[in-house]
Amino acid sequence: AQSVTQPDIHITVSEGASLELRCNYSYGATPYLFWYVQSPGQGLQLLLKYFSGDTLVQGIKGFEAEFKRSQSSFNLRKPSVHWSDAAEYFCAVGFNAGNNRKLIWGLGTSLAVNP
Amino acid sequence: GAGVSQSPSNKVTEKGKDVELRCDPISGHTALYWYRQSLGQGLEFLIYFQGNSAPDKSGLPSDRFSAERTGESVSTLTIQRTQQEDSAVYLCASSLSRTGSDTQYFGPGTRLTVL
Repeated sequence: AQSVTQPDIHITVSEGASLELRCNYSYGATPYLFWYVQSPGQGLQLLLKYFSGDTLVQGIKGFEAEFKRSQSSFNLRKPSVHWSDAAEYFCAVGFNAGNNRKLIWGLGTSLAVNP
Repeated sequence: GAGVSQSPSNKVTEKGKDVELRCDPISGHTALYWYRQSLGQGLEFLIYFQGNSAPDKSGLPSDRFSAERTGESVSTLTIQRTQQEDSAVYLCASSLSRTGSDTQYFGPGTRLTVL
């Protein structure tokens, strides 16, 4: 069955430090991969997505992610975290077959940023 | 409209009552999705519409849940005989077309509380 794992439930970093949020997926073919962010009281916002081509994807707010097929991973990175990055981050997998258009979601990683 | 809108933003109901949740997608988006976000469960797919047909209803948890969509416009998610386990945030998303790589744009959600 398809699944998404975000191993870290909660991460705390200092402002200005680098960040990496992990995401692993289980799917038989190359999936579509997404990272969304959910700030308190806000809706889900797309940070970036991968569906083909260059495996290093650039997104909004200075985020990037790298698709590694051999590791079934799509980790999210940011070189220098800002206090406003504190939020819940979700990795999701989409499909490219038939009528399957749903996203399968990880449970999320909650990011706290210390001043 | 600028984005996906949902109403009501909050709904408190008594166990056994029926509720209707409404979603207005982004104009021109042919695909519409309902998800449920519960504490500890993450985001769960409920149903996907392409136009006014629903090719994938696999996520509806029971026959108490139903949804319909008028053309490529408004969708209504109905929960009959609500139970306490139905308490969650119900999220609606829309996307431009039918491909799995399309970005899904999310509304702010309806927080349902069943007493």
